[in-house]
Amino acid sequence: SAVISQKPSRDICQRGTSLTIQCQVDSQVTMMFWYRQQPGQSLTLIATANQGSEATYESGFVIDKFPISRPNLTFSTLTVSNMSPEDSSIYLCSVFGLAATDTQYFGPGTRLTVL
Amino acid sequence: GQNIDQPTEMTATEGAIVQINCTYQTSGFNGLFWYQQHAGEAPTFLSYNVLDGLEEKGRFSSFLSRSKGYSYLLLKELQMKDSASYLCAVRVADRGSTLGRLYFGRGTQLTVWP
Repeated sequence: SAVISQKPSRDICQRGTSLTIQCQVDSQVTMMFWYRQQPGQSLTLIATANQGSEATYESGFVIDKFPISRPNLTFSTLTVSNMSPEDSSIYLCSVFGLAATDTQYFGPGTRLTVL
Repeated sequence: GQNIDQPTEMTATEGAIVQINCTYQTSGFNGLFWYQQHAGEAPTFLSYNVLDGLEEKGRFSSFLSRSKGYSYLLLKELQMKDSASYLCAVRVADRGSTLGRLYFGRGTQLTVWP
């Protein structure tokens, strides 16, 4: 399995500001995924972060709003830019396990509240 | 896109058996996952099916029929601690990824009563 940590675990931010969330994995992984879970909802995939190339965004998510960095095989950041109250969510980082048929593991999440 | 459907809520009593159904419509199917999520926590992996049939893991079993786009999670000998949200997720392969991306249904909130 993979052990994933995220920083910060939670934050309260003002409208119009930006927050960068960090994700650290204890092993090298090719792909890292960022999800959003709005209150009472399931998980929605934001983007796939590949090392050495630009992130791939899902429909409804754009790079200007959610810029992603992937400087190496164990680390990624997601920035939530120009925040509004609608961005209040839990943001989760996720990776596949080491084996080709392994499952997908999730970090503990970052709980973001925008006032 | 992906269309993944599961019931919103279910209730059951301790010791009983409950079956949570999931139907999906997607292209590039590359496996179906079930996750458990307690309130305020990250999802934890329960089961994975890529071929048709039943996978059993202790009190939990998962079934897949690819031709019908259908899966279920079966929980036996229910315990109070099984009260949680159960998420059905489909992995979709594409050219940009070796294994694919995981897309989730809205989740089924299971409440187990004493």
